[in-house]
Amino acid sequence: DGGITQSPKYLFRKEGQNVTLSCEQNLNHDAMYWYRQDPGQGLRLIYYSQIVNDFQKGDIAEGYSVSREKKESFPLTVTSAQKNPTAFYLCASSLIGPGQGDQPQHFGDGTRLSIL
Amino acid sequence: GQQLNQSPQSMFIQEGEDVSMNCTSSSIFNTWLWYKQDPGEGPVLLIALYKAGELTSNGRLTAQFGITRKDSFLNISASIPSDVGIYFCAGRMNTGNQFYFGTGTSLTVIP
Repeated sequence: DGGITQSPKYLFRKEGQNVTLSCEQNLNHDAMYWYRQDPGQGLRLIYYSQIVNDFQKGDIAEGYSVSREKKESFPLTVTSAQKNPTAFYLCASSLIGPGQGDQPQHFGDGTRLSIL
Repeated sequence: GQQLNQSPQSMFIQEGEDVSMNCTSSSIFNTWLWYKQDPGEGPVLLIALYKAGELTSNGRLTAQFGITRKDSFLNISASIPSDVGIYFCAGRMNTGNQFYFGTGTSLTVIP
């Protein structure tokens, strides 16, 4: 089945530790995105990438890093510089249409990150 | 970043009732999306809208792209218990590739 796979489903981080969240898609989508969701809030964009080896910061990139070495993979690292990392993290992907990003985003099932 | 105002924040309705929710922005958007999210899962796309005035249905769901291009509406007819969840709107401006999301409408359906 085609889709977006995020792993792990639950992740715990110790103080001062970096952790990496995985996101893989087999939809042959060009663009991939990382969002953070906090209770009662909408999704906030952390980073996005429209092409391999290129990515742009979103609204809340501080304390996070990403890489896009392969089209199907877009891992997110939550660094120790992110002081409030507890949240639900969602990865999404989309085609890039002729109208520059017309295509809707499709989401994975998320990773819940908590602080120990 | 761009703020989308989504209302109402929450709704409690009886099974069988119709539901209406809306989303407004301060900027003109050229794409509106509506998603549903169940607890602990990712949002699932319900309807995508690309033209001002467009009215699109998906089963009991109907969404409209406002003619001002600054708002969108989602209606659910004859609600059933599995409609429970959080509904999000998302919009994209003509410039840039970023989608902006509303804060969600939490729907509870009472059997």
